[in-house]
Amino acid sequence: KQEVTQIPAALSVPEGENLVLNCSFTDSAIYNLQWFRQDPGKGLTSLLLIQSSQREQTSGRLNASLDKSSGRSTLYIAASQPGDSATYLCAVRHNSGNQFYFGTGTSLTVIP
Amino acid sequence: NAGVTQTPKFRVLKTGQSMTLLCAQDMNHEYMYWYRQDPGMGLRLIHYSVGEGTTAKGEVPDGYNVSRLKKQNFLLGLESAAPSQTSVYFCASSQGHEQYFGPGTRLTVT
Repeated sequence: KQEVTQIPAALSVPEGENLVLNCSFTDSAIYNLQWFRQDPGKGLTSLLLIQSSQREQTSGRLNASLDKSSGRSTLYIAASQPGDSATYLCAVRHNSGNQFYFGTGTSLTVIP
Repeated sequence: NAGVTQTPKFRVLKTGQSMTLLCAQDMNHEYMYWYRQDPGMGLRLIHYSVGEGTTAKGEVPDGYNVSRLKKQNFLLGLESAAPSQTSVYFCASSQGHEQYFGPGTRLTVT
């Protein structure tokens, strides 16, 4: 069974800092990996999707990378803002089957 | 284009009562999923469907049933609610790549 881990569980940074969130998975036979943002009491908003054949994806101040062989993905947030405060989750879909496996998330606080 | 919607948003049940949660999507997606989210445990898959008329068990299916009679709707049923089913329930849909989530249903079982 695929295990997805996100470290750290919580992170607090001052506004303007660049930061990296980590996601690791145990089975490298993945189809894709997706990063989400979740605000308190809300649903999940998709940020970036990386297919297994890709190394990275970028959207605005966000950049996600994927290293399948080492079972790792990182989400880089440039010039953090207080509005970036939320919980960030990663999910992987295995090559076989239609299930997605989620990490428990990193709670990010950006201090003004 | 409403995306994925869930009904109801909140519900309080007594132990032993039954209820159905409705998920609807207007993106013509084949795949639909029901998850529960509990503190410290992340999202766990309850059941999913790969197309109209199909359902499959996920990681934590016990105590739940599902039906996908129409492609746009995925229903999650609790036949006899238990306090352990207190959680936030999320529905998602996908066409095989990216998942899109609904706003969630907060269920409390007393």
